Amino acid sequence: GENVEQHPSTLSVQEGDSAVIKCTYSDSASNYFPWYKQELGKGPQLIIDIRSNVGEKKDQRIAVTLNKTAKHFSLHITETQPEDSAVYFCAASWGNDYKLSFGAGTTVTVRA
Amino acid sequence: GAGVSQSPSNKVTEKGKDVELRCDPISGHTALYWYRQSLGQGLEFLIYFQGNSAPDKSGLPSDRFSAERTGGSVSTLTIQRTQQEDSAVYLCASSLEFNEGDEQFFGPGTRLTVL
Repeated sequence: GENVEQHPSTLSVQEGDSAVIKCTYSDSASNYFPWYKQELGKGPQLIIDIRSNVGEKKDQRIAVTLNKTAKHFSLHITETQPEDSAVYFCAASWGNDYKLSFGAGTTVTVRA
Repeated sequence: GAGVSQSPSNKVTEKGKDVELRCDPISGHTALYWYRQSLGQGLEFLIYFQGNSAPDKSGLPSDRFSAERTGGSVSTLTIQRTQQEDSAVYLCASSLEFNEGDEQFFGPGTRLTVL
């Protein structure tokens, strides 16, 4: 199967600063890498994703980078706001049926 | 509502009892997934359905766990003879099709506590 490791497990940033979360994966055949945000008491929600034929993708204050050679991908949040506080999960697809394997999550706290 | 719904939201049971967790996917979504989220952990894949068929059951932790989906819609996850280590949040997700990159929409989860 696919092994996804995510770091750091917790991240505290000052409002307005940037936050970076990094993930590594083991299966070189993985082609799809989504990022999910989970707020307290809710299910995870997709915020951005990237496919293996793209190195970087941006959506307003959120960006994701992918290095297939090194098998790692990262989430970048710029100009952080209090509403960015949540748990963030990275994931990677694997297997012929595209299952998702998730990282352990990063709890992001944005200090006002 | 148009999202994925799950019931119950919370379930407390005694060790050894059976429990059933229900998932109502988004209407028209052919793919349905079950995950388990233990405290401070990521999401652990359990099983998925394409329509009513479950091609891969290898993620189920033990033979006490089973799932079914009828009519291509509602799914139930059943845990028999619950153990304390089964305590977790059980999340259901659905996607329109079963293709790589199809967004999985998650429900709010069922928090299971086994005493």
